[in-house]
Amino acid sequence: AQSVAQPEDQVNVAEGNPLTVKCTYSVSGNPYLFWYVQYPNRGLQFLLKYITGDNLVKGSYGFEAEFNKSQTSFHLKKPSALVSDSALYFCAVREWPYTGGFKTIFGAGTRLFVKA
Amino acid sequence: DTGVSQDPRHKITKRGQNVTFRCDPISEHNRLYWYRQTLGQGPEFLTYFQNEAQLEKSRLLSDRFSAERPKGSFSTLEIQRTEQGDSAMYLCASSSADEQFFGPGTRLTVL
Repeated sequence: AQSVAQPEDQVNVAEGNPLTVKCTYSVSGNPYLFWYVQYPNRGLQFLLKYITGDNLVKGSYGFEAEFNKSQTSFHLKKPSALVSDSALYFCAVREWPYTGGFKTIFGAGTRLFVKA
Repeated sequence: DTGVSQDPRHKITKRGQNVTFRCDPISEHNRLYWYRQTLGQGPEFLTYFQNEAQLEKSRLLSDRFSAERPKGSFSTLEIQRTEQGDSAMYLCASSSADEQFFGPGTRLTVL
């Protein structure tokens, strides 16, 4: 069965510093990996995905994530944090090949707080 | 606005009543998902449609829950005989590729 773990409930970082939000996953087959962001009173928004290819993927708002197969991790990163990046971040995984459909499992979320 | 829309945004009901939520996906998206999200948790998968076919339903979903997508466009999620434990945010998402586009959600409060 698929599972996702986000080990940190909250990450605090100063504006201008690099940030990392951690995610580890477990699947039987191969993973499709995603990051979504949820701002207050707004729906979840897609940030980036890893399907295959280059282990470093780039997404919206300057975010990137690194896929590490040996460590089964997909950490979200940004070189220089902005106060406006403060939000709730969710890692998600879908397994392939998967004949049952497109079931996606989400982590519990990590709240990012960027201090000015 | 061409995003995913959900109606109503908020619903307060008494225990034992039935409620129905509607989701209108992005028009060209053939896949539609329902999730439930409680405070401090990530979205929990409920069910998935490809066009009008319901291809998967979570084992966590009791028989009181039913979803339809009759013409492969909008979808409804009905909860019968609501319980206080059903109180949550119900999210709808649609996709045509790998990433999903989420609606704003319907917040259900069962008194």
